[in-house]
Amino acid sequence: EIVLTQSPGTLSLSPGERATLSCRASQSVFATYLAWYQQKPGQAPRLLIYGASSRATGIPDRFSGSGSGTDFTLTISRLEPEDFAVYYCQQYDSSPALTFGGGTKVEIK
Amino acid sequence: QLQLQESGPGLVKPSETLSLTCTVSGGSISSTTYYWGWIRQPPGKGLEWIGSIYYSGSTYYGPSLKSRVTISVDTSKNQFSLKLSSVTATDTAVYYCARRIWSGYPFDNWGQGTLVTVSS
Repeated sequence: EIVLTQSPGTLSLSPGERATLSCRASQSVFATYLAWYQQKPGQAPRLLIYGASSRATGIPDRFSGSGSGTDFTLTISRLEPEDFAVYYCQQYDSSPALTFGGGTKVEIK
Repeated sequence: QLQLQESGPGLVKPSETLSLTCTVSGGSISSTTYYWGWIRQPPGKGLEWIGSIYYSGSTYYGPSLKSRVTISVDTSKNQFSLKLSSVTATDTAVYYCARRIWSGYPFDNWGQGTLVTVSS
């Protein structure tokens, strides 16, 4: 089973600032099958990024993903008020066991 | 637009079986590329994949719950279901159902989630 470690646990930033979130895998993720989700309180997760770097339908271009192998990054270029939330990475490798990272909370400084 | 809706008891007693159903509307559960899954989230904690099922009935379970989980599909009702046996308080969580459009794509469509509390 691939273990995903997200850092930092909490990111305190101001609107307009750049956010950089990290996701590290315990072994290489096949075919960059790595996704990022955003979750707000009381809501289901929303898919932001798939294939490590492709934005899902309707996701603003201030969200970008990068990385391969074991190291992945989600970048929010300029934080909008609605971007303060918890972000999870997930690997959906060809192996049946899907796993999520522990999450990074982006909070208002 | 495809929608998923979880349903089932919100309270389950310890040692009993948790049973939830996900009803799919606005699309067919029998699509030959779709996978359907269950994910849970204990209060204040992160996400845990429970398992997935293909419309044909092929199932895939997470290692930590594999011995207690059964996921099934009912194509006639456009539903799929989760059963988790011998529950304890640690199974208290919001349970989500979700869809993957093919095996090389993540969960792109989620239900709103349903809170299940395990308590006597």
